[in-house]
Amino acid sequence: EAGVTQFPSHSVIEKGQTVTLRCDPISGHDNLYWYRRVMGKEIKFLLHFVKESKQDESGMPNNRFLAERTGGTYSTLKVQPAELEDSGVYFCASSHLAGDGYTFGSGTRLTVV
Amino acid sequence: AQKITQTQPGMFVQEKEAVTLDCTYDTSDPSYGLFWYKQPSSGEMIFLIYQGSYDQQNATEGRYSLNFQKARKSANLVISASQLGDSAMYFCAMRTGGYQKVTFGTGTKLQVIP
Repeated sequence: EAGVTQFPSHSVIEKGQTVTLRCDPISGHDNLYWYRRVMGKEIKFLLHFVKESKQDESGMPNNRFLAERTGGTYSTLKVQPAELEDSGVYFCASSHLAGDGYTFGSGTRLTVV
Repeated sequence: AQKITQTQPGMFVQEKEAVTLDCTYDTSDPSYGLFWYKQPSSGEMIFLIYQGSYDQQNATEGRYSLNFQKARKSANLVISASQLGDSAMYFCAMRTGGYQKVTFGTGTKLQVIP
């Protein structure tokens, strides 16, 4: 089966611009998670979807971040407007059941200049 | 609150030797799971091994074993017979109770020397 796919793999944007990250989970995985690793710091939870519903979005840093999962398939994470501190690697993960281990994507490295 | 501590930012190990990567955790929840992930330079996060808080035996997966000491709240990863391909970042992580989000440590960068 195909793994978790994230697009793009790298993105360099200017401060104030908008960027949209996409995640395609493994087919049939209802649970989708977004995490972020800012340089040199730990990987932090952003949010969790169950199908198209946001189960937990307690990790979203502020209202410049908007995540969607229309139809319960792929998910997008939009940052608008981007700030310098948003730079980091954004990981997506999915699992079939909530108690399962995750399968991670390769991440999107976002650089805001 | 849940916390994972990895005190070794970087480590070196000679090829074919064993290495232990340290991880301590803190939680008041009696039900939790501990994970180790590997992140090679290519960027993907690879699941290595899992230990449940109620598991009686230490988890093992091939050359990976988890030295689970519940009273000390430690979950060290032991890699036996290191290979050059083991060079990567290693993250310890924990999921507690009914919560689906996972708390990660800051990672340990392992470099295997030929």
